[in-house]
Amino acid sequence: QVQLQESGPGLVKPSETLSLTCSVSGGSISGYYWNWIRQSAGKGLEWIGRFYTTANTRYHPSLESRVSMSVDTSQNQFSLSLRSITAADTAVYYCARGRLTENGGPYYYVMDVWGPGTAISVSS
Amino acid sequence: DIVMTQSPPSLPVTPGEPASISCRSSQSLLYSNGHNYLDWYLQKPGQSPQLLIYLTSNRASGVPDRFSGSGSGTDFTLRISKVEAEDVGVYYCMQALQTPRTFGQGTKLEIK
Repeated sequence: QVQLQESGPGLVKPSETLSLTCSVSGGSISGYYWNWIRQSAGKGLEWIGRFYTTANTRYHPSLESRVSMSVDTSQNQFSLSLRSITAADTAVYYCARGRLTENGGPYYYVMDVWGPGTAISVSS
Repeated sequence: DIVMTQSPPSLPVTPGEPASISCRSSQSLLYSNGHNYLDWYLQKPGQSPQLLIYLTSNRASGVPDRFSGSGSGTDFTLRISKVEAEDVGVYYCMQALQTPRTFGQGTKLEIK
């Protein structure tokens, strides 16, 4: 059974870079869309972006200038980097696996496995 | 971005009774292949969201058949035929037609 586990610093200072890692166990990281989603009291659930390959990565337009994602297949890990952090980035961050379905077309995936989330607070 | 609007925000239900949650999108989620790209997730207390329904009406693996989804275009509904205590949590609809994927604000189901 595939399990995901996010890890991160917990507390980040404003203007710094947030780096999060999602460790995948019990399955391969290849062949899936890897997503980051965050949840804050003020904005609810917000999709941040997803990585399939280096050439096939999409980000939320509002975050595109500050975000990058990557996959390390040797470590079975998926990473998020968010630059120039502000208090508005305070949230619980989730990673989620995106799996293609048989009937949804070539680009549709379901987020069928989620990590438990890691809480990130931005404060000086 | 496509805006998703759910109602009601809160839904108290007696066990054994049915429940219904509405979700509306700011633009049609119907694609030329005939699919409506609308998914439903449930976030149980203290947990991360879990997939319930995908492509409007397909139950995810392990989801009881008391859950059903319907709708087309901009109007969608999640129904629970007979609510059980384990169904409490916040239900979210999410559109998967366009990037960025966007979620509704959630409907909190609670037991009376």
